Amino acid sequence: GEDVEQSLFLSVREGDSSVINCTYTDSSSTYLYWYKQEPGAGLQLLTYIFSNMDMKQDQRLTVLLNKKDKHLSLRIADTQTGDSAIYFCAESITSSASKIIFGSGTRLSIRP
Amino acid sequence: DAMVIQNPRYQVTQFGKPVTLSCSQTLNHNVMYWYQQKSSQAPKLLFHYYDKDFNNEADTPDNFQSRRPNTSFCFLDIRSPGLGDAAMYLCATSRDLSFSGADTQYFGPGTRLTVL
Repeated sequence: GEDVEQSLFLSVREGDSSVINCTYTDSSSTYLYWYKQEPGAGLQLLTYIFSNMDMKQDQRLTVLLNKKDKHLSLRIADTQTGDSAIYFCAESITSSASKIIFGSGTRLSIRP
Repeated sequence: DAMVIQNPRYQVTQFGKPVTLSCSQTLNHNVMYWYQQKSSQAPKLLFHYYDKDFNNEADTPDNFQSRRPNTSFCFLDIRSPGLGDAAMYLCATSRDLSFSGADTQYFGPGTRLTVL
């Protein structure tokens, strides 16, 4: 079946790195995504990785993909208060051309 | 330079009173989607339009309907809202039905629906 799982909460100190983890079940996923949702707002595409890549870095963001274990992570370096949000992991399913499957989201809170 | 616009941002309706939520896009994308998102849950796809072709998810209640009069606009109609329909409703668009990297779904800010 198609399922994406994430832990619900993460709390980090300002300036530290945040690591948000995700597991997925569909091995046919072509792209995996991280979306950010700030309070009262829609989902904003943060970054993505193609399924044949292991790592992608984009400024403070590092995405790691372990395809064998179906594990995806998002690392945010030097976490700032503006990073407080809910982060959704998502996968695009090739068996269903129009579908992106989202996880339940991880709420990241920053403490001073 | 807003790309996916939803109106209103907040909507209050009464139990059983029909309500319509609006979405428009300036991206000229072929596909428009409606999602329902309840608190602390993943967005749940209700249906999508590929151009004029309507595709309903199997578990979307009949109470939810949609219209797409042209490329730019798509509406979500809730015929008889129940208390359980209170949620954030997200509109999204994509250029096509297959996704490739940044060529994926783009979301509007959402409409938060309250049912009294």
